[in-house]
Amino acid sequence: GQQVMQIPQYQHVQEGEDFTTYCNSSTTLSNIQWYKQRPGGHPVFLIQLVKSGEVKKQKRLTFQFGEAKKNSSLHITATQTTDVGTYFCAGLAGNKLTFGGGTRVLVKP
Amino acid sequence: DGGITQSPKYLFRKEGQNVTLSCEQNLNHDAMYWYRQDPGQGLRLIYYSQIVNDFQKGDIAEGYSVSREKKESFPLTVTSAQKNPTAFYLCATKQAVQTYEQYFGPGTRLTVT
Repeated sequence: GQQVMQIPQYQHVQEGEDFTTYCNSSTTLSNIQWYKQRPGGHPVFLIQLVKSGEVKKQKRLTFQFGEAKKNSSLHITATQTTDVGTYFCAGLAGNKLTFGGGTRVLVKP
Repeated sequence: DGGITQSPKYLFRKEGQNVTLSCEQNLNHDAMYWYRQDPGQGLRLIYYSQIVNDFQKGDIAEGYSVSREKKESFPLTVTSAQKNPTAFYLCATKQAVQTYEQYFGPGTRLTVT
């Protein structure tokens, strides 16, 4: 079945530094979505990428969808303490949405 | 959230008891989903429903049951057949089959001892 893997599982970042988290699918995707879950909270939709090679930005967050539509990345610049949480990608293939295991981001002030 | 209610936030049950988790939405969304989240893991789909009186099994449906008698409500029953029921349960909705974004409720943390 479809599998979506995220790396790294944990990301310790110094405040002000940049980092990237990666998402890889075993199958070609129709689209990919990114969600953020704050500690103790529930996932909140961030963005959706549909086109091959698509790049979208939200302030300090840059999302990219791979050319083959099987991978995606989230890059955060100048990390802030408000970026703490777990970032999930979710890939849509057919009518099935599969979530990755998430990257848990911890920020050191 | 913003229209999805899950209650209670914390639920404690003894092993061998069935328990029903509620999910109510006032977003007028067609599709509703139940996910299970375990520590350090992603979201795994239990059941989903795209229209009233219809629902489909997800990846980990064994030991769970659902109903969709009303558009607004999609309760999940965790039965005694579920081997490891302690988890964080999240309900989500989607506006229509052809839309993508899912909206999540605040979740219910179930502990079975």
